[in-house]
Amino acid sequence: GENVEQHPSTLSVQEGDSAVIKCTYSDSASNYFPWYKQELGKRPQLIIDIRSNVGEKKDQRIAVTLNKTAKHFSLHITETQPEDSAVYFCAQGGSARQLTFGSGTQLTVLP
Amino acid sequence: EAGVTQFPSHSVIEKGQTVTLRCDPISGHDNLYWYRRVMGKEIKFLLHFVKESKQDESGMPNNRFLAERTGGTYSTLKVQPAELEDSGVYFCATGLAVNNEQFFGPGTRLTVL
Repeated sequence: GENVEQHPSTLSVQEGDSAVIKCTYSDSASNYFPWYKQELGKRPQLIIDIRSNVGEKKDQRIAVTLNKTAKHFSLHITETQPEDSAVYFCAQGGSARQLTFGSGTQLTVLP
Repeated sequence: EAGVTQFPSHSVIEKGQTVTLRCDPISGHDNLYWYRRVMGKEIKFLLHFVKESKQDESGMPNNRFLAERTGGTYSTLKVQPAELEDSGVYFCATGLAVNNEQFFGPGTRLTVL
């Protein structure tokens, strides 16, 4: 079945440093890879997504890279700020339309 | 534009009782999904509606869970009778038919004692 592995489960960085979260997936038919940010007590919010015909996508301090051959994708946050602290989820979507999520990464940005 | 809304935000019930969760989608979103996050683990798919039809209910844990979407607007998820392992946060997400982008509601935190 579909499976997404996400690492690390927790990540602490100093303010201003970069953070990288990695995910691997098993379903080769997957063609949509979103990243969600969930702040404490709030709803998961889509922050960036990438489709299988693109290798990299960037939006200000956030970037996502996709390697379809290796079946992994990564979230990169540069110049981290305290408000980036949250749980980040990667996910994969395909023809089935529902999303399969990773287990989440608790990111803490230390001031 | 109003986002996805869910009611209630919290529910505490005893084992054996019944609870009904409600989700109101973003207007025009034909696709509606229910997900669940249990004890800090990953968010897991429960089922998917396209308008009023169940497209996929392969993630439903057992027959104690019943989801409906009469009229293709809001959806309800009923748990009857509730068990301890049903505790968790239940999310609803909706999206347009043309892509996979999904917008999440704030979730309902269910606690079964």
